[in-house]
Amino acid sequence: QKEVEQNSGPLSVPEGAIASLNCTYSDRGSQSFFWYRQYSGKSPELIMFIYSNGDKEDGRFTAQLNKASQYVSLLIRDSQPSDSATYLCAVTGGSYIPTFGRGTSLIVHP
Amino acid sequence: DTGVSQDPRHKITKRGQNVTFRCDPISEHNRLYWYRQTLGQGPEFLTYFQNEAQLEKSRLLSDRFSAERPKGSFSTLEIQRTEQGDSAMYLCASSLAGVGHEQFFGPGTRLTVL
Repeated sequence: QKEVEQNSGPLSVPEGAIASLNCTYSDRGSQSFFWYRQYSGKSPELIMFIYSNGDKEDGRFTAQLNKASQYVSLLIRDSQPSDSATYLCAVTGGSYIPTFGRGTSLIVHP
Repeated sequence: DTGVSQDPRHKITKRGQNVTFRCDPISEHNRLYWYRQTLGQGPEFLTYFQNEAQLEKSRLLSDRFSAERPKGSFSTLEIQRTEQGDSAMYLCASSLAGVGHEQFFGPGTRLTVL
């Protein structure tokens, strides 16, 4: 069974700090990796995706992928209170069906 | 069409009743997915379509659940003889075909079964 593991948190960081969110996955054949942000009562919103080992940067967000260690992470620089949400990691293999983790709750306090 | 839409946004029903939800995907997307999400959990895959063909259905999905996408555009999800355990957020997402194409979610339908 394919599993995606995330620490449920909450992860609490001060405003302006770097928030680091981690995700591990069990299926070595996984090919695509996604980070979604979900505010309470709302649907998931795609933040970033990454396919290749290494880092991918988009504004304040950086996704990091290490296939050998089977983990993917999301760094949020200069965290803002508006970043407070649940962050979902999703992993897809050849079946095109993503497996989601349960999400990590992030709290950015002023 | 700027995104995925779902209707209704909220549904309250009594146990034993049937409910039907509708999803309209992004127009150029040929893949459509249905998920269920409960509090504190990530979205749980239910089924997906490529065009009008239902390609996969979760083994966790009971026979009370059925989905259609008759013309390869909008989709409906029906739950028959609802149970209290069916209470959840039902999410629809769409994407282009091919590995790695990201999914875009609709606002969801929140179902409450009394």
